[in-house]
Amino acid sequence: SYVLSQPPSVSVATGKTARLTCAGNNIERKSVHWYQQKPGLAPVLVVYDDTDRPSGIPERFSGSNSGNTATLTISRVGAGDEADYYCQVWDSDTDQPVFGGGTKLTVL
Amino acid sequence: QVQLQESGPGLVKPSETLALTCTVSGDSIRGSDFFWGWIRQPPGRGLEFIGSTYYSGSFSYNSSLESRVAISVDTSRNHLSLRVTSVTAADTAIYYCARVSLTTDYYIDNWGRGTLVTVSS
Repeated sequence: SYVLSQPPSVSVATGKTARLTCAGNNIERKSVHWYQQKPGLAPVLVVYDDTDRPSGIPERFSGSNSGNTATLTISRVGAGDEADYYCQVWDSDTDQPVFGGGTKLTVL
Repeated sequence: QVQLQESGPGLVKPSETLALTCTVSGDSIRGSDFFWGWIRQPPGRGLEFIGSTYYSGSFSYNSSLESRVAISVDTSRNHLSLRVTSVTAADTAIYYCARVSLTTDYYIDNWGRGTLVTVSS
């Protein structure tokens, strides 16, 4: 089955740019989706189809996908962005979603 | 605006059956643009797909759980149900009901708030 790898944690200073990575074999051939999960809450979709944002998600959230790595970029990071972030692709072989292990973003 | 609400016992004894219901409002589970499914998250850990269903009656289950899991649909009540048999402490998790959008690629565009199920005697 397809495997996605995310770094367990990333730290960034307030106001700076956070780059969260999601690695997978030839991931550029898949569409990557990203979810934000704050403590005690359900995940929320923040980027879908590599680069698109759902309604209500700030432009500070953007995505890219190339080679073996997809990236979620959060610009002008603030305390409200502290959360766990999960990447996801759809495995067409099993007809199921595959999630990365998640990255905990800490804002310093 | 679609809403998904999970309900069911918060405590289940080992070896017994976990049963949850997801009530969907604001959308029909008979629609062809979405899968409907269940995802769980053990405390402090990541997301795990359990299974999903499509209006055509097809189902897809996580192979690691398939022998113990069943999803059913009640279209008259717009309900989605989950049963997990022979539970152990490893089944302790927050269980989320989810809608999977099929419009472009497949991603979860709506989640329920989740319900914590603890397996303990």
